[in-house]
Amino acid sequence: GAGVSQSPSNKVTEKGKDVELRCDPISGHTALYWYRQRLGQGLEFLIYFQGNSAPDKSGLPSDRFSAERTGESVSTLTIQRTQQEDSAVYLCASSFSGTGRTGNTIYFGEGSWLTVV
Amino acid sequence: GQQVMQIPQYQHVQEGEDFTTYCNSSTTLSNIQWYKQRPGGHPVFLIQLVKSGEVKKQKRLTFQFGEAKKNSSLHITATQTTDVGTYFCAARSNDYKLSFGAGTTVTVRA
Repeated sequence: GAGVSQSPSNKVTEKGKDVELRCDPISGHTALYWYRQRLGQGLEFLIYFQGNSAPDKSGLPSDRFSAERTGESVSTLTIQRTQQEDSAVYLCASSFSGTGRTGNTIYFGEGSWLTVV
Repeated sequence: GQQVMQIPQYQHVQEGEDFTTYCNSSTTLSNIQWYKQRPGGHPVFLIQLVKSGEVKKQKRLTFQFGEAKKNSSLHITATQTTDVGTYFCAARSNDYKLSFGAGTTVTVRA
């Protein structure tokens, strides 16, 4: 597609339920990132994929959070046994390559707004 | 990991005035990027600075990378209502991890 696509755009779930958030990166982008942004706050790094491997999972807040990526395509972020503190917008981003000292521009999706009630 | 500090956290500006927001790091950065996030939107890439002392302009926006590559600034002249949003700087702590500052949220008084 033309941009990074995320679904669902909005999700309201009950505390304790599991949720899956999906990200379709820009075609050809090998690097994929998940960030979390709480209301009025900055972006919190969660996980990075290069291809379908995740060399850095250090940002995942707890073992309730996991993520997978199929090849150099779709990624899913799963939150198990959701808590109210998980309420945030989950932003996915992709870039042509994750590596290189000069850096690569990352392109964000619209985000998945999660509300845990 | 890489820590970048942004000041001020909030900037209230009279339309037509200028302002500057700053991004500071305790360590030398290989490059720095700036993003803008409109209210309710997602961050959008504005620019990347790589060289020591580099200055880049985009219309009314001037971006600067410090000589020591430890700080950066964004200066906006003649602020307009379209400038409303949160401006983030971001730096790479290693080859891939892009760490964002907390952002400067800009509001404009007409």
